[in-house]
Amino acid sequence: GESVGLHLPTLSVQEGDNSIINCAYSNSASDYFIWYKQESGKGPQFIIDIRSNMDKRQGQRVTVLLNKTVKHLSLQIAATQPGDSAVYFCAENINQGGKLIFGQGTELSVKP
Amino acid sequence: DAGVIQSPRHEVTEMGQEVTLRCKPISGHNSLFWYRQTMMRGLELLIYFNNNVPIDDSGMPEDRFSAKMPNASFSTLKIQPSEPRDSAVYFCASSLYSASTDTQYFGPGTRLTVL
Repeated sequence: GESVGLHLPTLSVQEGDNSIINCAYSNSASDYFIWYKQESGKGPQFIIDIRSNMDKRQGQRVTVLLNKTVKHLSLQIAATQPGDSAVYFCAENINQGGKLIFGQGTELSVKP
Repeated sequence: DAGVIQSPRHEVTEMGQEVTLRCKPISGHNSLFWYRQTMMRGLELLIYFNNNVPIDDSGMPEDRFSAKMPNASFSTLKIQPSEPRDSAVYFCASSLYSASTDTQYFGPGTRLTVL
């Protein structure tokens, strides 16, 4: 039979507001973290990354914050636009190689 | 740059049939990754190659799954025999190297439905 899927956490924001998407990671030894954006019917797209020796990194309209004490990662999107509507995944690199472990994702919905 | 190319984009097959998914990484990239995405399990790494050599296949579900990379510009993921629980979206990604800080670029995915 058909299995029941997980219900993704959803964040709904008004266009122009700031968005904050949170992620808890699993391994205290992880040294590199990435945020990906996945639009419907497409593959994940790299947004921004951060190494474990940093606690903040800024890009264009996006900021990633890393709190290693509580193993928490957040993505802040300034002046959210309808084109930002997508599922956002955090990923951690766990063994110094290319292996990434992805979080479950958060669906961002931007209301015009 | 064409990006990572995957084919087919959609595949519908019947249980027991062999399925082959194809991937062409970005030219010049030395590492290639196969992922599977389902609602139940999210995005999971199945296997990755560095310089055409499999490095980590611990995510391959079982012996029905196999992956090859005969050259730097082509890889296949084969499922034989396929089962309904294999239905998922399969992504291929590539990166310049396999270092932890190399960005992985994803293809558009192959949506597989096994009836």
